[in-house]
Amino acid sequence: AQKVTQAQTEISVVEKEDVTLDCVYETRDTTYYLFWYKQPPSGELVFLIRRNSFDEQNEISGRYSWNFQKSTSSFNFTITASQVVDSAVYFCALSEAEYGGATNKLIFGTGTLLAVQP
Amino acid sequence: DAGITQSPRHKVTETGTPVTLRCHQTENHRYMYWYRQDPGHGLRLIHYSYGVKDTDKGEVSDGYSVSRSKTEDFLLTLESATSSQTSVYFCAIKRGREYEQYFGPGTRLTVT
Repeated sequence: AQKVTQAQTEISVVEKEDVTLDCVYETRDTTYYLFWYKQPPSGELVFLIRRNSFDEQNEISGRYSWNFQKSTSSFNFTITASQVVDSAVYFCALSEAEYGGATNKLIFGTGTLLAVQP
Repeated sequence: DAGITQSPRHKVTETGTPVTLRCHQTENHRYMYWYRQDPGHGLRLIHYSYGVKDTDKGEVSDGYSVSRSKTEDFLLTLESATSSQTSVYFCAIKRGREYEQYFGPGTRLTVT
């Protein structure tokens, strides 16, 4: 069965610190997709990134970077030089390629609350 | 902005009453989804739709029904609301061949 584990319930850092959010997943499928979403205090869900199982290349976008390792079933998210505006709940999610990805049901982790203190 | 609206945004209702939440999209996407968000559970899929009148159950579908009579609207109905259905409900769409989903602003439902 599919499962996503975000073991860190809450993380508190001081501005400008680097922080890594952990995500471990379980799936029996060989083709799957991983995602990160951000939920700021205002409540909306913002899509950050998608990674395909056949592409283990790490990605960097500004202060954000993602480390995908199939060997450890992890898809970790690092924020460099954190800012107060990064304070949010971050969700990791998994989708298997059922019906070629057509139905694309997302399985979410329980989220990590990141608090960045000024 | 994925052009998704949800109504109402907030609702308080009593146990046993029927409730319908509406998700409206303006971009003619085929796939639409309803999730609920609860502390300690993240988001869980309730129902989804892959076209007009084509719907299927998700992980936590008991007590919920859905309907999609036209592409732009996906309705979620609680036939007889219970306190365990107090939650934040999110609608989402998937764009074509992409795999990520884009979410509406959410509806906060309180069942007293």
